[in-house]
Formats: sequence, structure tokens, C-alpha cells
Amino acid sequence: KAGVTQTPRYLIKTRGQQVTLSCSPISGHRSVSWYQQTPGQGLQFLFEYFSETQRNKGNFPGRFSGRQFSNSRSEMNVSTLELGDSALYLCASSSTGLGVNTEAFFGQGTRLTVV
Amino acid sequence: KNEVEQSPQNLTAQEGEFITINCSYSVGISALHWLQQHPGGGIVSLFMLSSGKKKHGRLIATINIQEKHSSLHITASHPRDSAVYICAVRPLDSNYQLIWGAGTKLIIKP
Repeated sequence: KAGVTQTPRYLIKTRGQQVTLSCSPISGHRSVSWYQQTPGQGLQFLFEYFSETQRNKGNFPGRFSGRQFSNSRSEMNVSTLELGDSALYLCASSSTGLGVNTEAFFGQGTRLTVV
Repeated sequence: KNEVEQSPQNLTAQEGEFITINCSYSVGISALHWLQQHPGGGIVSLFMLSSGKKKHGRLIATINIQEKHSSLHITASHPRDSAVYICAVRPLDSNYQLIWGAGTKLIIKP
């Protein structure tokens, strides 16, 4: 079974630009969660999608948005990039995203650098 | 105060030593995860616990729900165990997200 695939692995953008990151979950998984990891803040929850619907959202500004397609692949978009958006963006997939016995599987992450 | 606290923040040990990493949390949870992150970023889920103890190879994870505490143990540590170990909890009031600890950076010297 293929794992969680995130593309691209590395990205350099300039301030003010926008960026789109992609996450392909494990086949059959319908839940995709996105996390931002920075040295100062650690891992923080961005949002979670299940069956093309955003079910939960963390405390990030509206510049951060996402969507999920019918094949469960998810994209995350950040508009008007700021230097502080430089981080590792991780996605996790799980079968339902619910319940005690649901395990999450993580991608390798996309390292975004904003200059 | 963070809702999930890990200790120690950094740990350096010699190959073969028994390693313990601790995680304390302040919220009610439905599950606790231990994850491993290697340089380069990829995260691997090691354990998901809601009670008791789990073992996988040289790794053992325990949780005490009443005391809101979990430990990750590594027996016969090896340099390839060097990584950041992260504890994350799934709060009772939200099954959709995890609250993360800051991680413990482990270095095992040969």
C-alpha cells in the first residue's frame, strides 16, 4: 500500500506570492489533516477534510485554505505569503479521522521557505 | 502552560542505554500518540494508546489515564534511534485534531 505522498518536497517562494501544496492520502483513507511545523511553535493543526468537507479548522488566518477532491487528495493554499509562513507542512491521512482506534499516517512534508 | 508537556527536551545517551521520554497532558483525551520524526521531516506513527501498555520491538509505550501521563521507553538504544520523538493527544472534545508536544530530541552515540 503506498504511503501518504506530499508534493512538492521543497519550495521557495517570495513574500506576497501564493502557494499550493498537495497531499495524496493512503488509498481508501477519507480524512486528511494538515499541520504546520515551525521551530518556535512546534506542530499546529491547520484543518481537516473528510469526504470533500472541511470538518475542523485551527487558529490560522484566512490566507490558509484547503480543499479535498473526490479521490480524497487534498490541497492546501496559502495566499499573500509572509516570512513567518516558512515551515514544514505535514499532512496526515486516516480512514475516518474519528474514534479512538483510528491511526493517522503522515507524509514526508513540504518544506516551504518564504524569502 | 502548554496542554502537552514533554520531558526532557533533549537527551543524549550512549548506545545500549535504556531511554525514557515522558509526556504529561492536562486535558481529557481519547487517545495519545507517540510519533518519531527523523531529520528531513517525515513523521512515523509509533503507537496510539488509550490505556495500558504497548510494545513493538525495542519500543514500549505506557499510559496512565488517571495521572494524565505517558512514557515512551527504548531498550538497547541504537544510533538509528536518534530522532525527535513527539507526543500528541486527541482531546475528548474533538476527534478531529491532535494537540502536540514540543518533542524530545534524542541522540544516541555509538
